[in-house]
Amino acid sequence: GENVEQHPSTLSVQEGDSAVIKCTYSDSASNYFPWYKQELGKRPQLIIDIRSNVGEKKDQRIAVTLNKTAKHFSLHITETQPEDSAVYFCAASHLYGNKLVFGAGTILRVKS
Amino acid sequence: EAQVTQNPRYLITVTGKKLTVTCSQNMNHEYMSWYRQDPGLGLRQIYYSMNVEVTDKGDVPEGYKVSRKEKRNFPLILESPSPNQTSLYFCASSLGRGDTEAFFGQGTRLTVV
Repeated sequence: GENVEQHPSTLSVQEGDSAVIKCTYSDSASNYFPWYKQELGKRPQLIIDIRSNVGEKKDQRIAVTLNKTAKHFSLHITETQPEDSAVYFCAASHLYGNKLVFGAGTILRVKS
Repeated sequence: EAQVTQNPRYLITVTGKKLTVTCSQNMNHEYMSWYRQDPGLGLRQIYYSMNVEVTDKGDVPEGYKVSRKEKRNFPLILESPSPNQTSLYFCASSLGRGDTEAFFGQGTRLTVV
């Protein structure tokens, strides 16, 4: 089955700096890669996703890149703000799969 | 408002006392699932359901049961809770299978003593 590894487990950045979180997956059939943000005490919420027919996707300050050959994908947050502080989860799935497989999560702290 | 609702939000119980965590969604989603969240382990799927009366095991199903008698409801049942089931539980629903956005409930913090 699918296995998703996520790094780093914690990340501290200064406000205004960029943050990068990386994930690798094992199942070459996976073709859907979402990122979820979980603020303290809240539920996970989708912030961006990418499908395997696309190499990069942007939405304002966040972007996701995908390297299918290497089986890894990354979340990039530019101009970080204190409200970006949260736990971020990557996940992988495929069209005929029955589940999302999540990484272990990254605690992002943005220091002001 | 489109939402997934779990109850209760917090629960402290004793070992062996059966409990049910309810989950309801109002988005007419076919796919629902239960996850547990533990520090350093991320979100691990317990059970999922692709439609009414169709359920299957996820990655960590031991000690749990589910049922899907109606499309909107997907309760999680712990027949005989044990301390290792102390965790934060999330229900989620999505329009399709694994390749569509999952909408999560607000979570249930369960403590088994």
